Amino acid sequence: AQKITQTQPGMFVQEKEAVTLDCTYDTSDQSYGLFWYKQPSSGEMIFLIYQGSYDEQNATEGRYSLNFQKARKSANLVISASQLGDSAMYFCAMREGQNQGGKLIFGQGTELSVKP
Amino acid sequence: DAMVIQNPRYQVTQFGKPVTLSCSQTLNHNVMYWYQQKSSQAPKLLFHYYDKDFNNEADTPDNFQSRRPNTSFCFLDIRSPGLGDAAMYLCATSLEPLAEYNEQFFGPGTRLTVL
Repeated sequence: AQKITQTQPGMFVQEKEAVTLDCTYDTSDQSYGLFWYKQPSSGEMIFLIYQGSYDEQNATEGRYSLNFQKARKSANLVISASQLGDSAMYFCAMREGQNQGGKLIFGQGTELSVKP
Repeated sequence: DAMVIQNPRYQVTQFGKPVTLSCSQTLNHNVMYWYQQKSSQAPKLLFHYYDKDFNNEADTPDNFQSRRPNTSFCFLDIRSPGLGDAAMYLCATSLEPLAEYNEQFFGPGTRLTVL
């Protein structure tokens, strides 16, 4: 069964510094997708970045980049130049195989706090 | 702007009193999902509609039902809410679930309190 593991329940980072949020996954599918979402205290899930299993280059979106190591089954999120508004819960998620209706499996999340 | 809308944002109901949560989308997406997220936990998929086809997760209690009268709207019905059903309920949509890239767009959620 597919599984997502986020081992850091909480992280602190100083404003303007970079931070890495860890995510490992387990799947027997050859084709899969990995997503990172941000969830502020308001509750809405905000899409940040996507990495496909066949993508050879690491995904980047502005200050977000994904450190994808396929052999290690890890997909860590790197946030550069942290801002106070980055304080939120961050979820790593994996799309199951193509016959599962696009279902997402979420990790337990990491709560990031950015210090001024 | 195209978006996913959930109403109400906050819902209070009494133990055992049926409640309906609403989700609408202007994205014209084929798939609509309902997730349950309890405090400090990950979202958990309850079920989804692919067009008119309903897909229930194996461990979703019978107490939870859903309706999709048209492409734009999807409802979550909780027939007899228990205290354990207090949670954030998130609606999401996606265009094509069989595509490798299948971003889900989430609504703001409805926070349900059961008294």
